[in-house]
Order: sequence, then structure tokens, then C-alpha cells
Amino acid sequence: EAEVAQSPRYKITEKSQAVAFWCDPISGHATLYWYRQILGQGPELLVQFQDESVVDDSQLPKDRFSAERLKGVDSTLKIQPAELGDSAMYLCASSSRLAGLAGANTGELFFGEGSRLTVL
Amino acid sequence: QKEVEQDPGPLSVPEGAIVSLNCTYSNSAFQYFMWYRQYSRKGPELLMYTYSSGNKEDGRFTAQVDKSSKYISLFIRDSQPSDSATYLCAMSADTGRRALTFGSGTRLQVQP
Repeated sequence: EAEVAQSPRYKITEKSQAVAFWCDPISGHATLYWYRQILGQGPELLVQFQDESVVDDSQLPKDRFSAERLKGVDSTLKIQPAELGDSAMYLCASSSRLAGLAGANTGELFFGEGSRLTVL
Repeated sequence: QKEVEQDPGPLSVPEGAIVSLNCTYSNSAFQYFMWYRQYSRKGPELLMYTYSSGNKEDGRFTAQVDKSSKYISLFIRDSQPSDSATYLCAMSADTGRRALTFGSGTRLQVQP
């Protein structure tokens, strides 16, 4: 079964250090999302790509976070410098390009297992 | 105030009980409503999907949407210990954009 791959699964770093997360979406999925999930809360969108283009990065703290999807396939999310408040699960998700017809498989995001970041 | 509100629980029920999970929302543009299940240390997985108002049933799970009240529910019949997880409601307004807005999740524990 096709899956969204993420690495690393766990990352412990000290504040002010740089950290990077990688995501490989399901093959053929044009839309890729990075979500952040703080413990006890729901996922919050950081950035959305359609192919290699950013569709929405309004919630991405651009002073320290960056995301790229250069060839429209895999993606990297970087944090530099990391802060204590960045400790969270970083989830990558992908969805297909299929049109959103009522009754179709609209809105199904397939999530990876996440990368859990702890900043000390 | 958040766009989507969800009681965080935890909710503890005995095996076989009927479970009711709920979310309220404020954005009247939301048209697509989903429930995701998230096991500990895993990514969320889609459980139920509903477009606009109405009910949808899938095995032991029933999703209800009442757009007039901006209220959605997930019912689990004959709950099993394997149903123990966090349940996240999610919704979106625009299929083109398709990014979801999530509730904070309700943690469910089904006691054997």
C-alpha cells in the first residue's frame, strides 16, 4: 500500500540549532502539505504545495521556517534557528489532483507517521 | 475563538458502549467534513467523509452533519478497545484549496 514517507521519525536538538525534515508523498499526488501538531492539539497547516508551487504559506513563520518542493515530488521543511516552542509533531500529507466532486474522494489527505521534534 | 471547537476529553467508556463525539464550527463556508482517527505516535487516518448536511454510515461508524447548527457528530456503536485513539474532526470550504482545518481532537479510551 502506498504511503507518505517521512524522516527522521524523532529529532532532539538544542535551541538555536538548525533542523530539517523530509517528506516523500504518495506517487502521483500533486498536493503536499506540512502540518504542525502540538501535543494535545489538532494539526495546523504550515504550508501547502501544488506541484512545486506554494499555494498557502500564510501560517508559516517565515523568519525561521522554510519549505521547498523543488521538483514537485519530495519536500523539505527547515527550521533555523529552532526555539523551545517548536517542539511538536511535524506531519506531512498528500492528496491527489482529482476534482472535488460531491461524493468523490474529496478532501482525503494521506498522512505520514510524522517527525517528532524536541527542542531542549 | 477557533474556527473548529472540539472537546478534548478524555472520554472513557466500557466496551460495547455507544460513543458520541462532536465538533462545532463557526465558518459557514465549510462544506466538506471529515473524521480522522489518530493512534498514539502515528499520523491521522481518514475514518469518515461527508459532503454538506446529512448522515453517512460505515459499519459501526455514523457521521452526521447539521450545517444549520454548525455541528457535526461521529457515533461509534459497539465500541471496541481497538477504537481507543484520538478522534479529530476536520473540515474544508474549498475543494480547490483542499487544506483542512482540524479540531483539537477528543481522546477516547474504551475499557475492556
